[in-house]
Amino acid sequence: EPEVTQTPSHQVTQMGQEVILRCVPISNHLYFYWYRQILGQKVEFLVSFYNNEISEKSEIFDDQFSVERPDGSNFTLKIRSTKLEDSAMYFCASRRAAKNIQYFGAGTRLSVL
Amino acid sequence: GIQVEQSPPDLILQEGANSTLRCNFSDSVNNLQWFHQNPWGQLINLFYIPSGTKQNGRLSATTVATERYSLLYISSSQTTDSGVYFCAVDDSGTYKYIFGTGTRLKVLA
Repeated sequence: EPEVTQTPSHQVTQMGQEVILRCVPISNHLYFYWYRQILGQKVEFLVSFYNNEISEKSEIFDDQFSVERPDGSNFTLKIRSTKLEDSAMYFCASRRAAKNIQYFGAGTRLSVL
Repeated sequence: GIQVEQSPPDLILQEGANSTLRCNFSDSVNNLQWFHQNPWGQLINLFYIPSGTKQNGRLSATTVATERYSLLYISSSQTTDSGVYFCAVDDSGTYKYIFGTGTRLKVLA
């Protein structure tokens, strides 16, 4: 079974610091996503990425957030200046085609102190 | 945007019992998946099922797209089935997933 790989599994940072969450999607996939889940809540969409650009972003995805696919294999989510309320589990996902199964990584738990 | 509702929100079962979890959605969808979130927070894919019926061991799922609902059946439940079950559907135009609020299942030994 193919898998999406996320690193690190847990990241602890101080408020105001920059963090980069890393993801390696499945190699022949074309659509990439970041979602987040605040503890005890449902999973929320952050951003989708296709053809080397953002195709859609949610209201949560403000100027503090950015995504990159720097080398054709990695897909990163950067938070420029973390806030306490950014503490959450962040999931990366990818799919091969628009009408297809979406594969999720194991998540990165971000704790902002 | 599309609305997704799951029921029941909480469910407690004795080991060996059967259960049905429901996911209602407000518009037509291209993709629908059921996930089990384990105690470590991982989202485990159970079914990709935008329509029709599938079975995998003790689990099965049915989606009736024309009536905008999907059902997940768990038979002969085990304590390891405990956790939160999410259904996720996408807007027909955007393909991003919208998750339901989940059903929290606890199976007692």
